[in-house]
Amino acid sequence: KNQVEQSPQSLIILEGKNCTLQCNYTVSPFSNLRWYKQDTGRGPVSLTIMTFSENTKSNGRYTATLDADTKQSSLHITASQLSDSASYICVVSAQPGGSYIPTFGRGTSLIVHP
Amino acid sequence: DGGITQSPKYLFRKEGQNVTLSCEQNLNHDAMYWYRQDPGQGLRLIYYSQIVNDFQKGDIAEGYSVSREKKESFPLTVTSAQKNPTAFYLCASSGIQRNTEAFFGQGTRLTVV
Repeated sequence: KNQVEQSPQSLIILEGKNCTLQCNYTVSPFSNLRWYKQDTGRGPVSLTIMTFSENTKSNGRYTATLDADTKQSSLHITASQLSDSASYICVVSAQPGGSYIPTFGRGTSLIVHP
Repeated sequence: DGGITQSPKYLFRKEGQNVTLSCEQNLNHDAMYWYRQDPGQGLRLIYYSQIVNDFQKGDIAEGYSVSREKKESFPLTVTSAQKNPTAFYLCASSGIQRNTEAFFGQGTRLTVV
């Protein structure tokens, strides 16, 4: 069964600090991995997408990495801001031809304190 | 503007009543999805549809029903058979091409009293 596991479940950091969120998956055959940001009471919004051949991708202060061999991804947030407080969800999709339905992780809840 | 719209944002219903949540998209996406999110939990797939007049059960379909009569619309009915319907419901749509992105609506918070 396709699964996406995220850690930690929750994280509290001080404003200005860096943090790294982890995502491990067993989805196969792999197509792409996305990180979404979900503000409280809102729908998730895509931050980055990574395909099999990509190792690193940045979007402003967000940098995602992918190790397709170990089936792990990380999302690094640099110089955190109060507005980074949200849930971060890792989503992995299988290739077309398989069951092309995204599999969602449970998310990491990030709280940034001033 | 193109996007995906859910309505209403908040919904209150009495126990035992059926209720229908609306989801409309003008992104010309073939696939549409319904997810449920409980506090501290991740998104769980209820139903999905990849083509008009066809839909598939997700992981937690019991107590829910859907229809896909039009490409733009994918309403979700929460029936009285759903034992614990109070939750945050999210609708999403996507293309069916490789590496397509799923776009989400703003969600409907359903409270059953």
